[in-house]
Amino acid sequence: AQTVTQSQPEMSVQEAETVTLSCTYDTSESDYYLFWYKQPPSRQMILVIRQEAYKQQNATENRFSVNFQKAAKSFSLKISDSQLGDAAMYFCAYRSEYYKLSFGAGTTVTVRA
Amino acid sequence: EAGVAQSPRYKIIEKRQSVAFWCNPISGHATLYWYQQILGQGPKLLIQFQNNGVVDDSQLPKDRFSAERLKGVDSTLKIQPAKLEDSAVYLCASSFRQGGYEQYFGPGTRLTVT
Repeated sequence: AQTVTQSQPEMSVQEAETVTLSCTYDTSESDYYLFWYKQPPSRQMILVIRQEAYKQQNATENRFSVNFQKAAKSFSLKISDSQLGDAAMYFCAYRSEYYKLSFGAGTTVTVRA
Repeated sequence: EAGVAQSPRYKIIEKRQSVAFWCNPISGHATLYWYQQILGQGPKLLIQFQNNGVVDDSQLPKDRFSAERLKGVDSTLKIQPAKLEDSAVYLCASSFRQGGYEQYFGPGTRLTVT
């Protein structure tokens, strides 16, 4: 079974600054997907960004970008120009070739005005 | 488009009682998932349906949990009898198909077992 580790329970960032969230995973598969999900206090989880393992290019979605290091099994999320609306719990998730999604424990991001 | 609907949003029951949760996925989505999210943890997959068939229920405590997806559309998840450790948020998600397709999550049902 795949394990996803998020080593930062909480992160705080000043508005307009940049914050990076860490994620590592354990797998023996060569083909898989990685995701970052955002869960605001209302608890509706939404997809932030997706990375296919076979793609070397790091995914980017507006102010959100990832640093995918396949050999190191690392998948960090960078939030640039942080906004108050970015405050939420962020989950790293791994989707195996058998379609099962495994989540990390999450990182709570607080944005200071 | 309408999102994933879940009801009720909150439920408080006593241990050993029964409870049922309902989920209506996004129209046209063939794959439906139920997750359990204990406070402070990431969601854990309980069961996955493809249309009205079960794809994965390896982490579903089958002695007390059951789920069905009749007609391949909406789904119910039941707990009978409930235990204190079942207190959690139960999330329903759907996707167009299996594979790399995005999962869309509902707002969840927060269950408190006293």
